[in-house]
Amino acid sequence: AQSVAQPEDQVNVAEGNPLTVKCTYSVSGNPYLFWYVQYPNRGLQFLLKYITGDNLVKGSYGFEAEFNKSQTSFHLKKPSALVSDSALYFCAVRDNTGTASKLTFGTGTRLQVTL
Amino acid sequence: NAGVMQNPRHLVRRRGQEARLRCSPMKGHSHVYWYRQLPEEGLKFMVYLQKENIIDESGMPKERFSAEFPKEGPSILRIQQVVRGDSAAYFCASSPSSGNTIYFGEGSWLTVV
Repeated sequence: AQSVAQPEDQVNVAEGNPLTVKCTYSVSGNPYLFWYVQYPNRGLQFLLKYITGDNLVKGSYGFEAEFNKSQTSFHLKKPSALVSDSALYFCAVRDNTGTASKLTFGTGTRLQVTL
Repeated sequence: NAGVMQNPRHLVRRRGQEARLRCSPMKGHSHVYWYRQLPEEGLKFMVYLQKENIIDESGMPKERFSAEFPKEGPSILRIQQVVRGDSAAYFCASSPSSGNTIYFGEGSWLTVV
């Protein structure tokens, strides 16, 4: 079975500082990894994904994530946080067995960026 | 190029009534997924469908819940005899047949009173 862990319920960071939102995963085969963001009372918006290739993936709004196979991690990062980045962030994984399968989500991390 | 369309956005039902939530996938997408989000919780997978087929319903409660994705028309998530614990946001997502990324709708918020 596949699973995702987001160990932090909330991350607080000052605007202009770098941010990291942590994610570790467990999957039987090679992983497909995703980050989504959710604003209040809205659906999830796709930020970025790792399928194969470079371990550093760049996505929307200046976010990036680093795939680390040995640590089974896919942490989300941004060099300089904005107040408008404050939202709920979800990491997700699916396996790459070659057939379409569901995404399994972590419990989410609330990012709070303050002035 | 419309995204995933869900309706209604908000639905209020009394205990014992039926709730029907509809989802039209993005154009060209033939896979549909339903997730439930309880207040202050993450997303829980419910069901994965392709046209006229249920592929994975491992997250669906055994009773009262059903889903379909007919050859024509939207996908429907049906909840019979709703109870207060069914109050949640229900999200639909879709993906193309060979795609990896799934795209979400804005959700349907069900309140059972």
